[in-house]
Amino acid sequence: KAGVTQTPRYLIKTRGQQVTLSCSPISGHRSVSWYQQTPGQGLQFLFEYFSETQRNKGNFPGRFSGRQFSNSRSEMNVSTLELGDSALYLCASSLARAGETQYFGPGTRLLVL
Amino acid sequence: EDQVTQSPEALRLQEGESSSLNCSYTVSGLRGLFWYRQDPGKGPEFLFTLYSAGEEKEKERLKATLTKKESFLHITAPKPEDSATYLCAVQVNYGGATNKLIFGTGTLLAVQP
Repeated sequence: KAGVTQTPRYLIKTRGQQVTLSCSPISGHRSVSWYQQTPGQGLQFLFEYFSETQRNKGNFPGRFSGRQFSNSRSEMNVSTLELGDSALYLCASSLARAGETQYFGPGTRLLVL
Repeated sequence: EDQVTQSPEALRLQEGESSSLNCSYTVSGLRGLFWYRQDPGKGPEFLFTLYSAGEEKEKERLKATLTKKESFLHITAPKPEDSATYLCAVQVNYGGATNKLIFGTGTLLAVQP
C-alpha cells in the first residue's frame, strides 16, 4: 500500500507571496492532519480534516488555511508569507476514528526569503 | 495545559550499549501515546502506539512501555542504524473526535560503532 505523498518536496518563496502544499493520504484513510516542524518549536499541530470538514485547529494565524477534497486529498495554503514560516510541513493520515495511529508523509521543505 | 517532555535531549551510545529514553506527559485525559523515529530531512516513521498503563510493545531492539505519567523507549544492544531522533506524542481525549497529536521535542540518539 502506498504511503502518504506530499508535493512539492521543496519550495522557495519570497516574503509576501502565498503557497499551496498538497497531500495525498494512504488509501482508505479519511483523516488528514497538518503539522509544522521548526528547530525552535518542534512539531506543532496546524489543523485536521475529516470528510471535507475541519475537525480541529491549532494556534496559528488565519494566514494558514486548508481544505480537504471528496477523495480525502488535502491542501494547505499559507498567504502573505513571512520569514518565520520557513519550516518542514508534514502531512499525516489516519483512519476515521480518534485514537488511530497517524502515518506521516516525507514533508514539504519551505524556505521563505 | 497539556504538555509532553522528553529526556535526555541528546544521547550518545556505543554500539551494544543499552539505554532508555523517557517521555513524561501531563494531560487532562490520555487517549493514546505514540512513538516515532525521524531521520534527518524525512517525515516521522511510526514505531508504537500505547493506550493504557502497563501496556508494552516490542519491535526488534526497541521496547516501549507506558505508566500513568510517562513512557519509556528501551533500546537493547543498539546499532549505528538506530541513530535518529525519537519523538513521543500524545493524543488527548477532549471529548470529541480528533487525532491531534501533541509532540515532545525529541531525543537525538547517536550510536557509535
